[in-house]
Amino acid sequence: SQTIHQWPATLVQPVGSPLSLECTVEGTSNPNLYWYRQAAGRGLQLLFYSVGIGQISSEVPQNLSASRPQDRQFILSSKKLLLSDSGFYLCAWRGGANVLTFGAGSRLTVL
Amino acid sequence: ILNVEQSPQSLHVQEGDSTNFTCSFPSSNFYALHWYRWETAKSPEALFVMTLNGDEKKKGRISATLNTKEGYSYLYIKGSQPEDSATYLCARLPTGGTSYGKLTFGQGTILTVHP
Repeated sequence: SQTIHQWPATLVQPVGSPLSLECTVEGTSNPNLYWYRQAAGRGLQLLFYSVGIGQISSEVPQNLSASRPQDRQFILSSKKLLLSDSGFYLCAWRGGANVLTFGAGSRLTVL
Repeated sequence: ILNVEQSPQSLHVQEGDSTNFTCSFPSSNFYALHWYRWETAKSPEALFVMTLNGDEKKKGRISATLNTKEGYSYLYIKGSQPEDSATYLCARLPTGGTSYGKLTFGQGTILTVHP
């Protein structure tokens, strides 16, 4: 069966520091992968999606970037965090009927 | 309706009450409507995927209906239990986005069921 791993679970970072959140998927090949963010009081916002190695599409202009160095690995990064980057980040992969399976999430607090 | 909107934002009910909430979405270029349940400290999990106007899905005490012409879906919970407490998210998939599964989510309805 397919599983999705996401880490770290919790992160507290100062403004201006770098960020790296990692997501890996098991049990499937060439998955479509997504990064979503839930900011306080808001719904899930799609940040990036990837249909294959090295293929990244950005949905909104922001301080973040994404990379897909391997088929089942998806990384969310920032060179310098802003206060507004705080939120709950979810990685997901797309299965049958376009249903998303989500990771456990990473809570980022930028101070 | 330009975005996916859910109401109410939060809801408190007593155990045994039945409840329902609404998801409104743009009716043009519609492909599918998803409902997810997001319990505290867990990942969101899919409840239903609906595509046809008039669709009705059921899973135990939870059911959902879909009206694609007017752009809304209702989620019903019959005889709410404390374990139903969660955030319920709806998400719309447009026809143009099927290739990448670009779901647009509403803000969610936070349901709290009191024993």
